[in-house]
Amino acid sequence: EAGVAQSPRYKIIEKRQSVAFWCNPISGHATLYWYQQILGQGPKLLIQFQNNGVVDDSQLPKDRFSAERLKGVDSTLKIQPAKLEDSAVYLCASSSFSGGAYNEQFFGPGTRLTVL
Amino acid sequence: GNSVTQMEGPVTLSEEAFLTINCTYTATGYPSLFWYVQYPGEGLQLLLKATKADDKGSNKGFEATYRKETTSFHLEKGSVQVSDSAVYFCALSDGAGSYQLTFGKGTKLSVIP
Repeated sequence: EAGVAQSPRYKIIEKRQSVAFWCNPISGHATLYWYQQILGQGPKLLIQFQNNGVVDDSQLPKDRFSAERLKGVDSTLKIQPAKLEDSAVYLCASSSFSGGAYNEQFFGPGTRLTVL
Repeated sequence: GNSVTQMEGPVTLSEEAFLTINCTYTATGYPSLFWYVQYPGEGLQLLLKATKADDKGSNKGFEATYRKETTSFHLEKGSVQVSDSAVYFCALSDGAGSYQLTFGKGTKLSVIP
């Protein structure tokens, strides 16, 4: 079974530029998560999707971050404009949903963003 | 809100040494508890979990017991190997059905031959 795919693996941009990250979850997984992992910290949830709807985006800085999952499969996370403090690893995870409960999350390898 | 506190790293051990990584949590309700591992260059992987008090999660020689009275979930292994070198994250989900994970800061373990 293929895992969660993310691209690009690395990205370097100047502050105030925009950037987009792509995630393809495990086939059949209805739930998709984006996390931000700043160096030396644990991952922090940014947004959770169930199919193509948003379950929780309370920690997403909506003035500069946006995310979509239009067809309920792959997802894009965008930052516009980027700030220095956005330098982090952006992790995508997916899980199945059955019996009214979410199951184990599987993580992708992440995209390492450096903002100069 | 929910939070997870785990021991600061890095931790350096010799091969075959005993490992303990401490983890304590604050949560409302009855959380599920997890240990994730991140090997160099790889994504996070679930190592073990426990869903209720006194449960013991185990995998690959690692163990952790859900202690509600001390709000702890310490990770242990009797004899570490070089291949165990990784970053270990303690995490909880709030059990409210959303399965959202709250992570600790991670502990980097280096095992030397």
